Amino acid sequence: DVKVTQSSRYLVKRTGEKVFLECVQDMDHENMFWYRQDPGLGLRLIYFSYDVKMKEKGDIPEGYSVSREKKERFSLILESASTNQTSMYLCASSPSRGYGNTIYFGEGSWLTVV
Amino acid sequence: RKEVEQDPGPFNVPEGATVAFNCTYSNSASQSFFWYRQDCRKEPKLLMSVYSSGNEDGRFTAQLNRASQYISLLIRDSKLSDSATYLCVVSVNTGGFKTIFGAGTRLFVKA
Repeated sequence: DVKVTQSSRYLVKRTGEKVFLECVQDMDHENMFWYRQDPGLGLRLIYFSYDVKMKEKGDIPEGYSVSREKKERFSLILESASTNQTSMYLCASSPSRGYGNTIYFGEGSWLTVV
Repeated sequence: RKEVEQDPGPFNVPEGATVAFNCTYSNSASQSFFWYRQDCRKEPKLLMSVYSSGNEDGRFTAQLNRASQYISLLIRDSKLSDSATYLCVVSVNTGGFKTIFGAGTRLFVKA
């Protein structure tokens, strides 16, 4: 079974704090993604990566950065958290660049910024 | 206009009912289609892919109409355990690939 693990499930941070969300996948997948999910808006892509040290902006990259130093690990960084970044964050991976690949999600990280 | 649109529901149905969800997509370069299921406060998981000829998996039937840019999911003999949000998902050829998720349709199945 594919396993995507998000180490922080529930976080409460103060405005202006730096936040790190870590994600690890154990199936040697090339692609990794960070989404946020908000009621009524669905999943929105923040950043994705096709390879180590490679990253591409998704639909809503502002206020976020990412790091992929190893194939299995993809980190999301909020340099200065704001209240409008309160959300559920989902990390995901898929095997390779292609249209028919299943996307596997982690269990999610619930971030509250106060 | 959203790239993938779904009726948000909620759909409230009794056990044993048949329920259908619809989804429309706007990009004619869309190449692959899926339905994902998401339980409350859980991650989305693949329910089934959608093929041009239509496909069935037990009580679930998915249909694709490329001409109308329309996807459907039919659930027969609904179970309480079918209560979830169903996400329509489309992969688009943009020179690379881009996967777009609909906002989901909420289903409640009641005893």
